[in-house]
Amino acid sequence: GQQLNQSPQSMFIQEGEDVSMNCTSSSIFNTWLWYKQDPGEGPVLLIALYKAGELTSNGRLTAQFGITRKDSFLNISASIPSDVGIYFCAGQEGSQGNLIFGKGTKLSVKP
Amino acid sequence: DAGITQSPRHKVTETGTPVTLRCHQTENHRYMYWYRQDPGHGLRLIHYSYGVKDTDKGEVSDGYSVSRSKTEDFLLTLESATSSQTSVYFCASRGTGNSPLHFGNGTRLTVT
Repeated sequence: GQQLNQSPQSMFIQEGEDVSMNCTSSSIFNTWLWYKQDPGEGPVLLIALYKAGELTSNGRLTAQFGITRKDSFLNISASIPSDVGIYFCAGQEGSQGNLIFGKGTKLSVKP
Repeated sequence: DAGITQSPRHKVTETGTPVTLRCHQTENHRYMYWYRQDPGHGLRLIHYSYGVKDTDKGEVSDGYSVSRSKTEDFLLTLESATSSQTSVYFCASRGTGNSPLHFGNGTRLTVT
């Protein structure tokens, strides 16, 4: 079946550093989504990307939909302690297809 | 965020007992989903619904059934719970077209 490779699996960084994570797929997607999950809660949508090459920002977060439609990255600038959590990418085929999720990147931030 | 409520939030049950998890959404979303989340596996789709009384299997549907009698409610049933079904279960919903998926806060199920 389809798979999404998300990397890195975990990151331990100093407060103030920039963070970059990415997802790649063997399949072409029409939509890429990025979610953050805090402990004990459900994933919360951060950014949605709908067009190849699209670059979208949400505060200190920036995500891009790769030109090949098989990859996406998420950058977090000037990390702060509340950025701690697990970040998931998800890809969707077509407008009705189900989402395929990456296995997540666990981010730890040292004050 | 979409108003998605899952109940119960926590449940402990014994092997062999039936269990039903409930999901209620207030956004009139057409599509609803049940996922399970396990360490090392991420989020895996169990079943989904694309309308009232319209459901289909996901990646890990064995041992689970679902029902959707109303737009706002999606039930997940474990007919006879097993220890391998110990997990955190998330309900999600979305509207039509490219509208993104929104999640509930999960149900932690422990099967002893």
